[in-house]
Amino acid sequence: MLTQPHSVSESPGKTVTISCTRSSGSIASSYVQWHQQRPGSAPTTVILEDNQRPSGVPERFSASLDTSSNSASLTISGLKTEDEADYYCQSYVGNTVLFGGGTKLTVL
Amino acid sequence: QVQLVESGGGVVQPGRSLRLACAVSGFTLRRYGVHWVRQTPGRGLEWVAVISYDGRDKDYGDSANGRFTISRDTSKNTVFLQMNSLRAEDTAVYYCAKGSSGSYYWIVDNWGQGVQVTVSS
Repeated sequence: MLTQPHSVSESPGKTVTISCTRSSGSIASSYVQWHQQRPGSAPTTVILEDNQRPSGVPERFSASLDTSSNSASLTISGLKTEDEADYYCQSYVGNTVLFGGGTKLTVL
Repeated sequence: QVQLVESGGGVVQPGRSLRLACAVSGFTLRRYGVHWVRQTPGRGLEWVAVISYDGRDKDYGDSANGRFTISRDTSKNTVFLQMNSLRAEDTAVYYCAKGSSGSYYWIVDNWGQGVQVTVSS
């Protein structure tokens, strides 16, 4: 199971971090992805394989793992209003794909 | 460029069946797995099923519950989701999504636009 905060908010230009905590098994045992879903749109992938940005994703998006807290984090710097969206972490265990519950980012 | 286009959604009565299709382009099903993921109104993403790059492995989430079957036709570059005995709680937007190459197909890296399925009498 992957647990995310329900919501976070921050001002334009600031930096925000969204966490994703794995309840059992090591967070490092399988890759973590992050998916952005703007209102009314399909998800898009902003981070692959723990910390890799797909082509076209701004450098403002970064991610890391923290094995001490068994969690992954997505950090967005220089926040823009267009970053307002739901963010989902995704990983896998055995033959099952896991999604976090999603975090609503409000940029105000 | 990678594209996934879902079709086959609509309104269906409880207990009936529906088959969704996901037409892909920009990559070959022989090298990449494909997932189905659904999203109920106002809720998060829920993994439904995956078919591996070689078609040998098919795995399902709890939501499939033995009623859904994933398959593919490589000659048509299309992946299907057969949904039987549909229930009101299956009402959702269904997305197909591309997995990474080879045995890393558990990594979701591209999404389709989604198709609405409504189960109602």
